[in-house]
Amino acid sequence: DQQVKQNSPSLSVQEGRISILNCDYTNSMFDYFLWYKKYPAEGPTFLISISSIKDKNEDGRFTVFLNKSAKHLSLHIVPSQPGDSAVYFCAASGDAGKSTFGDGTTLTVKP
Amino acid sequence: NAGVMQNPRHLVRRRGQEARLRCSPMKGHSHVYWYRQLPEEGLKFMVYLQKENIIDESGMPKERFSAEFPKEGPSILRIQQVVRGDSAAYFCASSPKIPGAGVNEKLFFGSGTQLSVL
Repeated sequence: DQQVKQNSPSLSVQEGRISILNCDYTNSMFDYFLWYKKYPAEGPTFLISISSIKDKNEDGRFTVFLNKSAKHLSLHIVPSQPGDSAVYFCAASGDAGKSTFGDGTTLTVKP
Repeated sequence: NAGVMQNPRHLVRRRGQEARLRCSPMKGHSHVYWYRQLPEEGLKFMVYLQKENIIDESGMPKERFSAEFPKEGPSILRIQQVVRGDSAAYFCASSPKIPGAGVNEKLFFGSGTQLSVL
């Protein structure tokens, strides 16, 4: 029973265009959502988060959108840069404290 | 200004041996989490600890796996009698304790320990 799903294992975009990474969740008790970025041979690093009381959070080139009714969130990166090429993990947490991660989406930004 | 420190980075064990993975959280962080990433899979929660307490071990296999976070020293994830299926990257993460705040906090991850079982 996978509570956080990233249905696209990979995504390829051209430099300068928008990257949109999607994430769906099933547990309505989740109230905090995070995106992490991971390079090979390194641990994940926090990118951006959103609380369930909001529907959008923006930080520079990164914007996360939350649609609670659809239990869906997305990460927009614009403009995309080659250095953004990495694995992106969506994570969700509730009052239990732990974060539940999706399987990740590998983003490739082509120069 | 050290981040989360995990050692060793790579650990090779033969079937039946014990593996000990260590994690020192960031300074001031009192919450430690262990996650496992199997090949071609995402991060799977294993255990959540605070100093001297296991808060949630719902992701830990019932046998052979144990974790501790003593009052002094690093957190230890211990795998007894390793099998080939234990081969994976094991990530430790920490977060600070914020009095009065919820526990929805971002995690700071170490670089992981890659366990290979021959």
